[in-house]
Amino acid sequence: EPEVTQTPSHQVTQMGQEVILRCVPISNHLYFYWYRQILGQKVEFLVSFYNNEISEKSEIFDDQFSVERPDGSNFTLKIRSTKLEDSAMYFCAKTGSSYNEQFFGPGTRLTVL
Amino acid sequence: AQTVTQSQPEMSVQEAETVTLSCTYDTSESDYYLFWYKQPPSRQMILVIRQEAYKQQNATENRFSVNFQKAAKSFSLKISDSQLGDAAMYFCAYLVPGSARQLTFGSGTQLTVLP
Repeated sequence: EPEVTQTPSHQVTQMGQEVILRCVPISNHLYFYWYRQILGQKVEFLVSFYNNEISEKSEIFDDQFSVERPDGSNFTLKIRSTKLEDSAMYFCAKTGSSYNEQFFGPGTRLTVL
Repeated sequence: AQTVTQSQPEMSVQEAETVTLSCTYDTSESDYYLFWYKQPPSRQMILVIRQEAYKQQNATENRFSVNFQKAAKSFSLKISDSQLGDAAMYFCAYLVPGSARQLTFGSGTQLTVLP
């Protein structure tokens, strides 16, 4: 399967700042997902994105979060005003040749100070 | 709501031996998929194996195989001939086909491989 890449690998930010996490480069995929993993905890679903629209979002995905596919390839997750509890690994995932399996990017480790 | 339970927070196995990781799930769906993901210290999530609920045959990928018991809602992972590189956190996950296809994960089992 083609790789899913994410940038940056590690982001350190101050509480209240905006961060943008990116999946790059991706083309010809319809389904994307963002997941979050707080250190030592399980992976949690944030949002699914199908054909340039949000398909479903979890209760975690509140108004502080947004997703975009600004240029048809990059897929971004924006956190508008970061909180300490947003510190986590954020994973982008895509479907494979079967829409019922998902392949994860290497993740972005977000640290909020 | 679907839940996935991994009751073994930690397991260890001797190199070259076999180990089985347990997973149970709760669902009212009849069509679904089950997965095992491996997360090494790099924290990358790596898909290890997949099982479709409609298939009676247990999935196998090289040294990895599953024991899928649909009636019992059990989905265990067997690793044969364990290698040092198998040391990782293993997550069981569940997915219902549909528009969202979100994965629901268990809490994970940390596997240590002893030389």
